Amino acid sequence: AQTVTQSQPEMSVQEAETVTLSCTYDTSESDYYLFWYKQPPSRQMILVIRQEAYKQQNATENRFSVNFQKAAKSFSLKISDSQLGDAAMYFCAYRKWGKLIFGQGTELSVKP
Amino acid sequence: EPEVTQTPSHQVTQMGQEVILRCVPISNHLYFYWYRQILGQKVEFLVSFYNNEISEKSEIFDDQFSVERPDGSNFTLKIRSTKLEDSAMYFCASSDGSGGGEAPLHFGNGTRLTVT
Repeated sequence: AQTVTQSQPEMSVQEAETVTLSCTYDTSESDYYLFWYKQPPSRQMILVIRQEAYKQQNATENRFSVNFQKAAKSFSLKISDSQLGDAAMYFCAYRKWGKLIFGQGTELSVKP
Repeated sequence: EPEVTQTPSHQVTQMGQEVILRCVPISNHLYFYWYRQILGQKVEFLVSFYNNEISEKSEIFDDQFSVERPDGSNFTLKIRSTKLEDSAMYFCASSDGSGGGEAPLHFGNGTRLTVT
């Protein structure tokens, strides 16, 4: 069965600095999709970025980028120029067919 | 931008009562999901629904749970006899396309269920 692991329960970053959130996963599949979702205090689930496993190029969305290492089954999220509004719980997720499988989440705090 | 809408935002019920959580997925989406998140814990898959039937369910989704798409727009989750441990945030999600993974899930804002 596929699993997703986020080993950092909490992270902290200074405003305007860069932070990297880690995620590893386990699968025997070769084609799949990976996602990062943000959950602010409102508890809404917001898609941040996604990566197709068949693409070698790392996905980027403005200040958000990923470091996808397929062989290592690693999918980290880098947030550049951190802003106060980035403070949230971040979930890494895996999808092959149908359902998303989530990691445990990383609580990110941003210090002014 | 189209949204997934969930009602109510907060539901309080007594143990043993039945509750129905309602969701309106994005109109052209074909795949529907329910997830739950117990406070402070990970988001857990409950059930997926496609073509008017359950396509997959987790071990959490036992006989006290059921889902329905009664009128082509709403997607409901019913909990027949609530337990204290059912207290959680319940998220509805929908996606379009193949369902094979490419299309992201769009989540509603959730319904916070409190069982007393």
